[in-house]
Amino acid sequence: GAVVSQHPSWVICKSGTSVKIECRSLDFQATTMFWYRQFPKQSLMLMATSNEGSKATYEQGVEKDKFLINHASLTLSTLTVTSAHPEDSSFYICSAYSLRREDAEQFFGPGTRLTVL
Amino acid sequence: RKEVEQDPGPFNVPEGATVAFNCTYSNSASQSFFWYRQDCRKEPKLLMSVYSSGNEDGRFTAQLNRASQYISLLIRDSKLSDSATYLCVVNKPGTYKYIFGTGTRLKVLA
Repeated sequence: GAVVSQHPSWVICKSGTSVKIECRSLDFQATTMFWYRQFPKQSLMLMATSNEGSKATYEQGVEKDKFLINHASLTLSTLTVTSAHPEDSSFYICSAYSLRREDAEQFFGPGTRLTVL
Repeated sequence: RKEVEQDPGPFNVPEGATVAFNCTYSNSASQSFFWYRQDCRKEPKLLMSVYSSGNEDGRFTAQLNRASQYISLLIRDSKLSDSATYLCVVNKPGTYKYIFGTGTRLKVLA
């Protein structure tokens, strides 16, 4: 399967600061990247869909001004959590997908664990 | 009704047992179905896609029943290493977006 990396793998920050998370597809060009959030003992919830060269689309209830997404190239998408607060503490996971692939499989990054103090 | 429903478990089974999980989905127009495995504090990893004809991969068998809108996963000869949370995933119709179930937790006991 394809390889997707995320950086950082974990981050601890103070309330009010902004945190940037990078998602990279290492061996294929991802036309689409997805950002998910997972709270303890809950499942993954899709936050937004990121398409290269266009604005991200956000799921209902996700604030686009708080979670800034940039998909500048076919191998890189970034999620910035602005003015983070303790309730934003979660496991953030990205996945990469390519329309050029025959299957519908998304490839997941290893996740970023964010703790906001 | 949730879009994808699973029994959260946990299912505690002895090594060597056969265990089955079911998952139901609400939108009959969904076309892609998967089982993912997620270990504690890790990302989900694809276990297998689920096809209409059913498919098998070693000790794992997946079935899809479109009429009843459910998906099943059967694990035979359970190993300790099978202990994980199993996530049922269905696509949002007309999109490549995934909808995840809450997962079923499996513990295989020695």
